[in-house]
Amino acid sequence: DAGVIQSPRHEVTEMGQEVTLRCKPISGHNSLFWYRQTMMRGLELLIYFNNNVPIDDSGMPEDRFSAKMPNASFSTLKIQPSEPRDSAVYFCASGETGGRDTQYFGPGTRLTVL
Amino acid sequence: GQSLEQPSEVTAVEGAIVQINCTYQTSGFYGLSWYQQHDGGAPTFLSYNALDGLEETGRFSSFLSRSDSYGYLLLQELQMKDSASYFCAVASNAGNMLTFGGGTRLMVKP
Repeated sequence: DAGVIQSPRHEVTEMGQEVTLRCKPISGHNSLFWYRQTMMRGLELLIYFNNNVPIDDSGMPEDRFSAKMPNASFSTLKIQPSEPRDSAVYFCASGETGGRDTQYFGPGTRLTVL
Repeated sequence: GQSLEQPSEVTAVEGAIVQINCTYQTSGFYGLSWYQQHDGGAPTFLSYNALDGLEETGRFSSFLSRSDSYGYLLLQELQMKDSASYFCAVASNAGNMLTFGGGTRLMVKP
C-alpha cells in the first residue's frame, strides 16, 4: 500500500490567492482527518470525515477554509483567500473506525503564504 | 472539552531509559495513543492503551491508568534515532477522533 498521499508537498503563494490541498487516503479506510501543525499551536484537528460525510468541522478556523470528500479515495482542503497566518504544515490522515483508532498520516503539505 | 498535558522537552543520553508522562482531561475516553514525529516528518503511530496496564513493543512500552487519567511512554536503550517529538493522544468517542497533546521533544545525546 502506498500510504496516505498528499499533494502538493510544498506550496508557496501570495496573500489573497486560493490554495487547494489534496489527499488520497489508504484504500479501505473510512475515516479521514485534516490537521494543521504550527510551532505556536501544535497539531490541530481541522475537520473529520467518516464514510465521506463531514462529522466534525469545529476546528476549521473560519469561513475561508472549506473541505470536501466527494468519494472514498479523495479529499480536498481549500483556503480562499489565503493569509500569511495560514502558513503551516497541513496533514491528512486516514483510519478505520473502531479498534485501536490508529491514524495513518500523509507526508504533509508545507504551505507558505507571503 | 479535552486537554492533555505532557512535558515540552526531555533530554537523555544514549543507552538510557526515559519516561514521557501524559495526563488528560476528557469528556469521554476510549483509549490513549502515542505518536512519534521526526523533524520534517509526519506523525507515526507507536502504541495504544485502552485498558489499564503496560503494553510492550520492543524497546517502547506504554502504560495507562484510567482512574488517574494518566499514561506514560517508556523508551529503553535509547538510540540517537529516537530523537523526535512524541505526542500522546486521546480518543474520546467511538469515531476515532483524536485530541493530541502539545508534544514532548526528546533529545538523545551521545
